Amino acid sequence: AQRVTQPEKLLSVFKGAPVELKCNYSYSGSPELFWYVQYSRQRLQLLLRHISRESIKGFTADLNKGETSFHLKKPFAQEEDSAMYYCALSNYQLIWGAGTKLIIKP
Amino acid sequence: NAGVTQTPKFRILKIGQSMTLQCTQDMNHNYMYWYRQDPGMGLKLIYYSVGAGITDKGEVPNGYNVSRSTTEDFPLRLELAAPSQTSVYFCASRAGGEVGELFFGEGSRLTVL
Repeated sequence: AQRVTQPEKLLSVFKGAPVELKCNYSYSGSPELFWYVQYSRQRLQLLLRHISRESIKGFTADLNKGETSFHLKKPFAQEEDSAMYYCALSNYQLIWGAGTKLIIKP
Repeated sequence: NAGVTQTPKFRILKIGQSMTLQCTQDMNHNYMYWYRQDPGMGLKLIYYSVGAGITDKGEVPNGYNVSRSTTEDFPLRLELAAPSQTSVYFCASRAGGEVGELFFGEGSRLTVL
């Protein structure tokens, strides 16, 4: 069955430290994966998609088919990165991970 | 553009009551969705629509109904509310093309007591 797993409910790092939000997936075909973010008091919004190989707000995510992972990374965390992050897999509809709350400590 | 607008933002219902969550989008998107999110869980798809007059069940449709009489509106109806329907509900929409680029409403927090 298709599934998205975000193993960390909460991740807390200091400002300026590297951040890695983990996402693992289970999918039999060629996956399309996305990261969404929800800042405090804001709507859930698309952060980035693997197919475009883009960097948004300093975040990147690489699809690793061998490890079935799509981890979100940023080399130097900023306080404004504090938010909920969701990984999602496209299979006609989106299949969502449970989310990771990222807290950046000053 | 207001984007996707959901009302109400908060509601408390008694068991057995009914209500409708409203969702409107002004982006002329064909695709619209209703999700629910329970604490510590990912979003679960309740119903979706690919255009006016067309709706289909998602993963967790029981206890809910939808209609799509116009491109803009996609209301979600709860009949005979149950405590298991206590959740945060999100409406979302997208244009055609990529499945993953959804635009979300602010969410509606529903409590059934």
